[in-house]
Order: sequence, then C-alpha cells, then structure tokens
Amino acid sequence: KQEVTQIPAALSVPEGENLVLNCSFTDSAIYNLQWFRQDPGKGLTSLLLIQSSQREQTSGRLNASLDKSSGRSTLYIAASQPGDSATYLCAVVYAGKSTFGDGTTLTVKP
Amino acid sequence: ETGVTQTPRHLVMGMTNKKSLKCEQHLGHNAMYWYKQSAKKPLELMFVYSLEERVENNSVPSRFSPECPNSSHLFLHLHTLQPEDSALYLCASSLRDSRNEKLFFGSGTQLSVL
Repeated sequence: KQEVTQIPAALSVPEGENLVLNCSFTDSAIYNLQWFRQDPGKGLTSLLLIQSSQREQTSGRLNASLDKSSGRSTLYIAASQPGDSATYLCAVVYAGKSTFGDGTTLTVKP
Repeated sequence: ETGVTQTPRHLVMGMTNKKSLKCEQHLGHNAMYWYKQSAKKPLELMFVYSLEERVENNSVPSRFSPECPNSSHLFLHLHTLQPEDSALYLCASSLRDSRNEKLFFGSGTQLSVL
C-alpha cells in the first residue's frame, strides 16, 4: 500500500527566503507525482506535475524534483512571498489511484 | 479557473435535510472523484467514477449517495447527515490511467451539518 509523507507539517519563514518542501513515498511504482497548493477553505490548485521518467519540472519561482528510486520529491520555492502562504500537498499517481500526503502548511512573514 | 465547477460553495443543513452537491467538468476527462477534507485530517477519497461507472467506494456511509449521469457531471446526494460530516467536499476529474494523469480540482463545497 502506497504511503506518502510530507515533512515538515508546518514551516514559517521570513519573506525573501528560499525554501524546500519534502515529499516521500514508499512504492516507487508511480506514473507521476503532482504538487498542489491549497488556500484555506478552497480547492487544490495544481502547481507542477512530474512524470516518472522526468527528474524535475519548473514553473516560475517553483522547481519540483523527483527521485523515484529513493521515493522522494522536493518542491523548491525561490524568493518566497507572503502570497505563497498556503498548504502544499503532494500526490503520487499509479494506475488511476492517487495517494496524497498530509501537506505542509507554509507561512511567509512580511 | 481549473475547468471543474462545484456548486454550491457553502451549504448549511440540518440532520434531517436532503441536499445535493453538484460537480461539472469541461475538460473531456473520463474520471471524476469525490474527496472529503475534514479539519486537521488528510484528504479522504470517497468515490471514483470512470466512464460513468463507479469503480471505487471507500467504505463511505450510505447517507452519502453519488450519481454520475454522464462523464461531465457528478452529484453527491446527502441525507440524514451527522455533525461529524461537516467538512470541505472536493470534486476532481482526470484522464484516468494515462501516464500523464493529472488531477484537476473544483473549489469545493464547505458543508456544515447542524
């Protein structure tokens, strides 16, 4: 059974700092890994999707990496801003089944 | 705008009421999902419909009844709910079983059961 863990559960940083969020999964048989952002009381917004054959994906200040053999992914946020404050979730997908982590709640202080 | 629309955004209901949540996707996807997200808990998958057929039902109480009349629409019918059912209910869709499968979520319905 696939298990996805996100560490830390919460993170608080000053504005402008670069930061890394971690996601680990137990079964390396995945099709892809997706990072989401969720604001309080809202739905999930897809940030990046990395296919199992890829090593990383970039979008603006976000960079996601994937190491399938070690069961790890990281989401790097450069030059963090208060607007980045949200909960970030990762999900691994295999054969139509998605398994989510519990999320990391990020607070960026002005 | 993700292409997945949920209504209503907020819902307050008594335990004896009957209500329905609606989800619509305009992305040409072949699978739709209902998730439940309670405060301080991880996302819980409730139901999966693939090509309008229910393929997964994760031990959800019968007071939740899904309906998928076509590949673009998904409903969640609610009746005699309990206060512990108060949560954010999220609908999602995807192109199931594709290597590039990507989940798209709606904005959710925040449900309060009094």
